Amino acid sequence: DAKTTQPPSMDCAEGRAANLPCNHSTISGNEYVYWYRQIHSQGPQYIIHGLKNNETNEMASLIITEDRKSSTLILPHATLRDTAVYYCIASSHSGSARQLTFGSGTQLTVLP
Amino acid sequence: GAGVSQSPSNKVTEKGKDVELRCDPISGHTALYWYRQSLGQGLEFLIYFQGNSAPDKSGLPSDRFSAERTGGSVSTLTIQRTQQEDSAVYLCASSPSVGRAFFGQGTRLTVV
Repeated sequence: DAKTTQPPSMDCAEGRAANLPCNHSTISGNEYVYWYRQIHSQGPQYIIHGLKNNETNEMASLIITEDRKSSTLILPHATLRDTAVYYCIASSHSGSARQLTFGSGTQLTVLP
Repeated sequence: GAGVSQSPSNKVTEKGKDVELRCDPISGHTALYWYRQSLGQGLEFLIYFQGNSAPDKSGLPSDRFSAERTGGSVSTLTIQRTQQEDSAVYLCASSPSVGRAFFGQGTRLTVV
């Protein structure tokens, strides 16, 4: 899996959009970009994933650059409950073994 | 059940004893992962099962750790001769053959 790089921490005001960046400059053509988050003392929760096109679901939007070397997770209206560690992962869907390799992530703190 | 179930939720054991941690994945999911997370640290990959393929054991930290998955469903992670450094939250996740992974709430293991 390609290595991803994320800022260690970010703050966001409640009600504003949270934009979390991720660099994955060595991503290969068959690797998807996944985002998970982990709220304190809970198991990680899937948020969204994409390959080339931008994606949106009920939780967030994922913007992937045209060269696929970076992406941004957008939480459109952050709430206090969105405070968590956010993990960006590049993972292939092919092959007999597929690890999800979690890095250090970004600690997002939503401020009242 | 609707999600990944892990048992026990908490386990306190004496140093040197063996422990077994259980994971019930979501029905029909062919992939199953084990991770551990020490206090304040990120997720450390341990082992990955995918269907009938040989498991990826590359993350197991020592030969005291082993895991099996019976009938492609329930998995058991066994730690022999536990040490204090084994204290952590052990997380299990399951996934369809490709796509998002669903995590359980983890087993908190404390070795005293």
